[in-house]
Amino acid sequence: GENVGLHLPTLSVQEGDNSIINCAYSNSASDYFIWYKQESGKGPQFIIDIRSNMDKRQGQRVTVLLNKTVKHLSLQIAATQPGDSAVYFCAETSPNTGNQFYFGTGTSLTVIP
Amino acid sequence: GAVVSQHPSRVICKSGTSVKIECRSLDFQATTMFWYRQFPKQSLMLMATSNEGSKATYEQGVEKDKFLINHASLTLSTLTVTSAHPEDSSFYICSALLGLADYNEQFFGPGTRLTVL
Repeated sequence: GENVGLHLPTLSVQEGDNSIINCAYSNSASDYFIWYKQESGKGPQFIIDIRSNMDKRQGQRVTVLLNKTVKHLSLQIAATQPGDSAVYFCAETSPNTGNQFYFGTGTSLTVIP
Repeated sequence: GAVVSQHPSRVICKSGTSVKIECRSLDFQATTMFWYRQFPKQSLMLMATSNEGSKATYEQGVEKDKFLINHASLTLSTLTVTSAHPEDSSFYICSALLGLADYNEQFFGPGTRLTVL
């Protein structure tokens, strides 16, 4: 599969602080990226997505930034809450992978009350 | 929103038996579904792409005779782990692709925990 990796395997933040989770990808043809949240023993849950024609997209408390020049993706969570504790994955797909999504290593976020 | 279910959620079997896992899209039709496996504290690894009415496409290194995939209808794909062994113990997750406007989004099932004794 494609090489989609995350820089940090674990991240601990204080409740109320902002969290930043990073992801690097290697396929320059990738045109669609998604961030997923996975709680223990459950399937991934969609958080936010971004297409390659954008460099920023905002949702509720979350922002995704895309830097195509360095093939880097980040997820920012504002005012992190205990319920945000989970593993976060980035996934990417490209026209030449036939709709397949390839996942990064994952970052385990722990929110300290 | 789009919902994907998996059955069973948990299965324990003896070595050498075969196990079938079902993946259903409950409120939409999915011509394409995906099967992933996930080991503890690791990422999701794509195993295969399941296409309704045609043969599945397997990722490199995944044995198609070991992991049989059948996508017989637009709402159901099944993964059968044949002659399961302890190393097949894993969390198996499916997803279904839903085409929305100009992009496709995949919705994940809750996963199936397989333990082979």
